[in-house]
Amino acid sequence: DAKTTQPPSMDCAEGRAANLPCNHSTISGNEYVYWYRQIHSQGPQYIIHGLKNNETNEMASLIITEDRKSSTLILPHATLRDTAVYYCIVRVYGYSGGGADGLTFGKGTHLIIQP
Amino acid sequence: SAVISQKPSRDICQRGTSLTIQCQVDSQVTMMFWYRQQPGQSLTLIATANQGSEATYESGFVIDKFPISRPNLTFSTLTVSNMSPEDSSIYLCSVEDEEGYGYTFGSGTRLTVV
Repeated sequence: DAKTTQPPSMDCAEGRAANLPCNHSTISGNEYVYWYRQIHSQGPQYIIHGLKNNETNEMASLIITEDRKSSTLILPHATLRDTAVYYCIVRVYGYSGGGADGLTFGKGTHLIIQP
Repeated sequence: SAVISQKPSRDICQRGTSLTIQCQVDSQVTMMFWYRQQPGQSLTLIATANQGSEATYESGFVIDKFPISRPNLTFSTLTVSNMSPEDSSIYLCSVEDEEGYGYTFGSGTRLTVV
């Protein structure tokens, strides 16, 4: 899996959009960008994933640059409950059919939503 | 996606003893994964457990210290053996999501060794 680089921490005001960057300059053509978050004392939670097009779901939006070397996770209206560590991970998409290797986690970005 | 239950959610253990952590999934899965998260750190993969075969351990983790069982397609256990304070961590199990969304994680077992 390609390595990712994220800022160690970020602050955002409640109600504003939180934009979390991730660099993945060595991403391969068949690797997707996945985002997870870990709220304190819980297991990581899937947020969103994408290949090259921008993606949006009920939790967030994912913007991937045209060269796919970086991406931004956007939480459009951050709340205090969005305070968590956010992990950007690149991996091959899809169910492996039983041959998966598990995830390699970097240090992530600790996002703190300020009231 | 799958729902994972882990037991116990937390425990305080004496050094030199062993603790077995249970992971139950609400659907049949081929692979189950065990992670460790040391205080203030990110998650590190310990091993991958495939039903009917020996677990595959990552570098730095050995079977004698972290024996794993995988008796069926919905259940696995991780034992932390001969514990020392350095084993104080959160231990999490995970399964691959068959719809392609990546992985689902249990809520973890917070272990403190005294």
